[in-house]
Parts: sequence; structure tokens; C-alpha cells
Amino acid sequence: GENVEQHPSTLSVQEGDSAVIKCTYSDSASNYFPWYKQELGKGPQLIIDIRSNVGEKKDQRIAVTLNKTAKHFSLHITETQPEDSAVYFCAAPFGNEKLTFGTGTRLTIIP
Amino acid sequence: GAVVSQHPSWVICKSGTSVKIECRSLDFQATTMFWYRQFPKQSLMLMATSNEGSKATYEQGVEKDKFLINHASLTLSTLTVTSAHPEDSSFYICSARDRREIGYNEQFFGPGTRLTVL
Repeated sequence: GENVEQHPSTLSVQEGDSAVIKCTYSDSASNYFPWYKQELGKGPQLIIDIRSNVGEKKDQRIAVTLNKTAKHFSLHITETQPEDSAVYFCAAPFGNEKLTFGTGTRLTIIP
Repeated sequence: GAVVSQHPSWVICKSGTSVKIECRSLDFQATTMFWYRQFPKQSLMLMATSNEGSKATYEQGVEKDKFLINHASLTLSTLTVTSAHPEDSSFYICSARDRREIGYNEQFFGPGTRLTVL
């Protein structure tokens, strides 16, 4: 099965600076890599995803990069704002339909 | 689009009772739904995969007789925690796959249900 490692587990960033969270996966056949944001007491919200046929995808302040050779993908948040504070999870496919989640990164934006 | 709802959002029950949680895909049809459990400050752990019209597939270590799953339609799956005990207290989250999405494991998550067993 898929093994997903995520780091760092916690990250504090000054407001306006950039934040980067990294994940590695084990299954070279994996083709879909989502990132979720989870606020306290809420379900995960998909914020961006990337498919294996591209190396980078951007959506305003959020971007994801994928290195299939090294089997890692990263979430980049630029111009961070207080509302970006949350727990972020990466995931990778497992089996036909399932996802395996990383251990999560608690991001704190310091005003 | 791709909205998933859960009901209730929170529930408190006595030990030994059963609790049913509903998961609905509101604007798409989902042949597959998933049930996760999340303990405080931990990641999501997949409990089972729910397929419309067939039996659920449970992950290793999850008791199928304790966590009953029914996926009666393309928009509704239910999780029943039977004979609940305090150790079942957790945050239960469902997700759903759009039946039109083929080839990628994209999932949309519900808001979660906080279960507290006294």
C-alpha cells in the first residue's frame, strides 16, 4: 500500500511570508495528489490538487509542485494571511479508489 | 458543486446505545463513499469503503459488526455505531467520489460528526 510522509508537523510563519509543506509517497504508479485544509472542528476542505501529467499547478496564492522522479510533492502558500492558519494534509492514492493521508502540518500565521 | 453533508454535526449518547450518522452527496451522485475516523491531533484514518448496492469493505482492525454501513442510494450512506463505548468517541468524517470522475481518487469531504459517548 501507499506510504505518505509529511513534514514539518508544525510550522509558524510571519504574516506575509511564504509557507512550504512537503510530502513524499512510495507508489510510483500514483497519479493524483490532493492537499486539504482542515480548520478546528470541521471536515477537510480540498484546496488544490495535481495530477501526474503536470509538474506544477497554481491557484492564486496556492501552488503545488510534483516531482515524480523523486516521488514528492509540495504545497506552497505565498503572502500568508491569518486565515491560512489551519492543519494541512497531503494525500496520495491507495488501491483503486482510496486515499492515504499524511500526518498533517499545523500551520500558524503570526500577525 | 461537489457538496457533501453530514447529519448530525455532533451527538452525545450513553454507553451501550447506538448512533446513526448520515452522509449525503448533495449535487452529485456517488457510487463510492468513505468513512474516516479522526482522533484529536491525528490524521484521518480510513475505516471503510461504502459502495452503493453492495457490502462495505472494512479496513484492517475495524469491526464490521460494530460499525454498520449502509449505502442504499447514490447520494446517501449511513454509519451506525452499535453499542457505543467511550473509546468510540471521535470525529467521524465521510467523503464521496463523483461517479463521473474516472481514473483519479478525488474525494469530497463532509463537515464531520463529533461523537461523544458518556
